[in-house]
Amino acid sequence: QKEVEQNSGPLSVPEGAIASLNCTYSDRGSQSFFWYRQYSGKSPELIMSIYSNGDKEDGRFTAQLNKASQYVSLLIRDSQPSDSATYLCAVMWGNEKLTFGTGTRLTIIP
Amino acid sequence: EPEVTQTPSHQVTQMGQEVILRCVPISNHLYFYWYRQILGQKVEFLVSFYNNEISEKSEIFDDQFSVERPDGSNFTLKIRSTKLEDSAMYFCASSESRISSYNSPLHFGNGTRLTVT
Repeated sequence: QKEVEQNSGPLSVPEGAIASLNCTYSDRGSQSFFWYRQYSGKSPELIMSIYSNGDKEDGRFTAQLNKASQYVSLLIRDSQPSDSATYLCAVMWGNEKLTFGTGTRLTIIP
Repeated sequence: EPEVTQTPSHQVTQMGQEVILRCVPISNHLYFYWYRQILGQKVEFLVSFYNNEISEKSEIFDDQFSVERPDGSNFTLKIRSTKLEDSAMYFCASSESRISSYNSPLHFGNGTRLTVT
């Protein structure tokens, strides 16, 4: 059974600080990793994708992947109140289906 | 920006009734999916569809579920005899190519909230 684990939070971060979100996954055979943002009652929205070890930066967002440790993280710099949402980690294993974690609820405190 | 559209936004049905959830994927996309999210729980994969056939389905997608692409634009999910536990948000999604390909992200629709009473 392939699992994706996230700390459900809530995680509270002051405005302007760095928010750090973590995700672990159960199977080394995974190939593709994604971070989605989901506002309450809305659909998931892709923030970042990462496929190889290391860091990938896009604006205020940085995804980090460590396949040896089966760990993927998302850093949000200069956190804004609009970043308050649930962040979903999703992993793909050799096929076209994503397995999602339960999500981490992030609250940015003004 | 093109988007995946789903109708209706909210569907209420009685247990045992059939429902059809409708989706219009982005026009040049070739891969189509249904996911669901029970309130407060994970987003779960149901089924993927490519080239007019199911390419993968989950354990959730049993004989009560079916998908169809009846014309060149719509993609539907049918639940034949709804159960209380089918109550969830159902998301349609599409991608231009395989989501394992670089730069082929999954685009989600806004979802249909299904309530079975």
